[in-house]
Amino acid sequence: RKEVEQDPGPFNVPEGATVAFNCTYSNSASQSFFWYRQDCRKEPKLLMSVYSSGNEDGRFTAQLNRASQYISLLIRDSKLSDSATYLCAVNTDKLIFGTGTRLQVFP
Amino acid sequence: GAVVSQHPSWVICKSGTSVKIECRSLDFQATTMFWYRQFPKQSLMLMATSNEGSKATYEQGVEKDKFLINHASLTLSTLTVTSAHPEDSSFYICSARGDRGRSSYNEQFFGPGTRLTVL
Repeated sequence: RKEVEQDPGPFNVPEGATVAFNCTYSNSASQSFFWYRQDCRKEPKLLMSVYSSGNEDGRFTAQLNRASQYISLLIRDSKLSDSATYLCAVNTDKLIFGTGTRLQVFP
Repeated sequence: GAVVSQHPSWVICKSGTSVKIECRSLDFQATTMFWYRQFPKQSLMLMATSNEGSKATYEQGVEKDKFLINHASLTLSTLTVTSAHPEDSSFYICSARGDRGRSSYNEQFFGPGTRLTVL
């Protein structure tokens, strides 16, 4: 079983849609959690950290469920510029990435 | 956020040659640097973790004699792909972590990546 798993997608959604990504992790000792965004042929960029209490940054909401060992990312009012691959990452003493979920927002 | 640079940004080489990739933290001291590899349409796979002044720790399945890592200073780590073959063609990305005062200790900052093509 992979340490961090995601649905690879792709998710094809129209502008304005709400889309949700989930990610599960296997190591219960994981300490911190993140969502990254990666554009084609670029390095990943930190989108947001994820906390048990849930956190929001504009149109993006992240949630962590430690009991079930999953992380979620909700994007509201999707924009064309949101098209990218979204990677969840879990940190113990090193950062391990999920396979990434490809999002394509169309007009 | 902190700035991490990589050089070169892309390289094309012949099979059998060695390629060195540099990763530098420009505005902070990186106590730990990580090297990742990403094949097309796949996620970043951690290859190794290096701490300044000590030997790198390699992930399972990564050949330490093929991928030589040197972390000689708090701002520089190098990855040398020795006797490169076409199957080594990939996107290599480094990241750096260190104490930057107010920033989160756990935060890793990524370099822009190096695209290696072995002919």
